[in-house]
Amino acid sequence: QKEVEQDPGPLSVPEGAIVSLNCTYSNSAFQYFMWYRQYSRKGPELLMYTYSSGNKEDGRFTAQVDKSSKYISLFIRDSQPSDSATYLCAMSADKIIFGKGTRLHILP
Amino acid sequence: DTAVSQTPKYLVTQMGNDKSIKCEQNLGHDTMYWYKQDSKKFLKIMFSYNNKELIINETVPNRFSPKSPDKAHLNLHINSLELGDSAVYFCASSPLGGQRGGGYTFGSGTRLTVV
Repeated sequence: QKEVEQDPGPLSVPEGAIVSLNCTYSNSAFQYFMWYRQYSRKGPELLMYTYSSGNKEDGRFTAQVDKSSKYISLFIRDSQPSDSATYLCAMSADKIIFGKGTRLHILP
Repeated sequence: DTAVSQTPKYLVTQMGNDKSIKCEQNLGHDTMYWYKQDSKKFLKIMFSYNNKELIINETVPNRFSPKSPDKAHLNLHINSLELGDSAVYFCASSPLGGQRGGGYTFGSGTRLTVV
């Protein structure tokens, strides 16, 4: 089993919809959980990070971590065409391991 | 002012050649990294340097040699390039302990194509 599993998509949703992106993981030592956004031909940029279980909200974005299920989510409310990008989950104990990324298309 | 800058942005070269990619960060971070992103977008760590000292060296062929002249610079030299080396190479930096959620700042990447 891979350490971090993420559905590559693509995921296409209409503008204004709520988007749910998810990752599962196998390493119970992971304590820090992150979401990165990567636009085409650009480097990943940190969007959200959380420590341990719980929720964190930042504007239209909510990150959720369930350590008991080894499952993390990123919710995007009121999605915009500018949210179209690849979203990579990442998690760490002593080093950061990235998921393969989910390609998201927001349709105008 | 670009926080993490890499040069060149694009590199097309023939098999067997030797090439270098340069990276510089002006964030005052202690730790720098090289990541490889393949055609399937999988981002995999290659090397990590902390204040010029190598701290992570994943299973990477010996043809790849990182060099850090100071904590603001981390270069990557690749000998005897192979077709499978074609990928996007990202440099990143973080404060010490950046893996603890502080996250990394990535450069824009160097797209290497070996023909």
